Amino acid sequence: QLQLQESGPGLVKPSETLSLTCTVSGGSISSSSYYWGWIRQPPGKGLEWIGSIYYSGSTYYNPSLKSRVTISVDTSKNQFSLKLSSVTAADTAVYYCARRGAADLDYWGQGTLVTVSS
Amino acid sequence: EIVLTQSPGTLSLSPGERATLSCRASQSVSSSYLAWYQQKPGQAPRLLIYGASSRATGIPDRFSGSGSGTDFTLTISRLEPEDFAVYYCQQYGSSPVTFGQGTKLEIK
Repeated sequence: QLQLQESGPGLVKPSETLSLTCTVSGGSISSSSYYWGWIRQPPGKGLEWIGSIYYSGSTYYNPSLKSRVTISVDTSKNQFSLKLSSVTAADTAVYYCARRGAADLDYWGQGTLVTVSS
Repeated sequence: EIVLTQSPGTLSLSPGERATLSCRASQSVSSSYLAWYQQKPGQAPRLLIYGASSRATGIPDRFSGSGSGTDFTLTISRLEPEDFAVYYCQQYGSSPVTFGQGTKLEIK
């Protein structure tokens, strides 16, 4: 059974960089059939697509965040990562990683809350 | 960017009733790349429907999706207690991927 698990600091200071990692188990991140993505959800609000990456390293970012986002992949560790720079309180959210295939987002991590505060 | 508008914002129904949730797109959704997700408090969203009408693995057949172009519908034929949650539609045919604002299905 495929599982995804987010990890990283739960508290980030304003203007700093948010860094999260998603570890994939029960399947290979190098599968040619899937992209791997990040989605976030501010407390009490809806879902926002951040971006996705293919195992080869090709990326796609939401234009609204593109200038601050970097998504990378480490196939040797079966992980992919998110970096979001120059964070503000508006970036406080639950961050999810997910697998994206033909059926779109079919497996999700449990999510991790990241709070931006000094 | 395709804007998805879901209605109603909140739907109050009783177990056993039929639920009809709407998702309208600001422009045509390419190749019916429209999905529906269910989210319960404190949990990640769960994929219910993809390709506008295909049920995801393990989803009961009381959930069905329909529509094309700019108008899509999620129908739950007979509500079970575990179906009360927030539902999101999402389009993944055009860049960027976008979500609707959600419909809360609550017990009447």
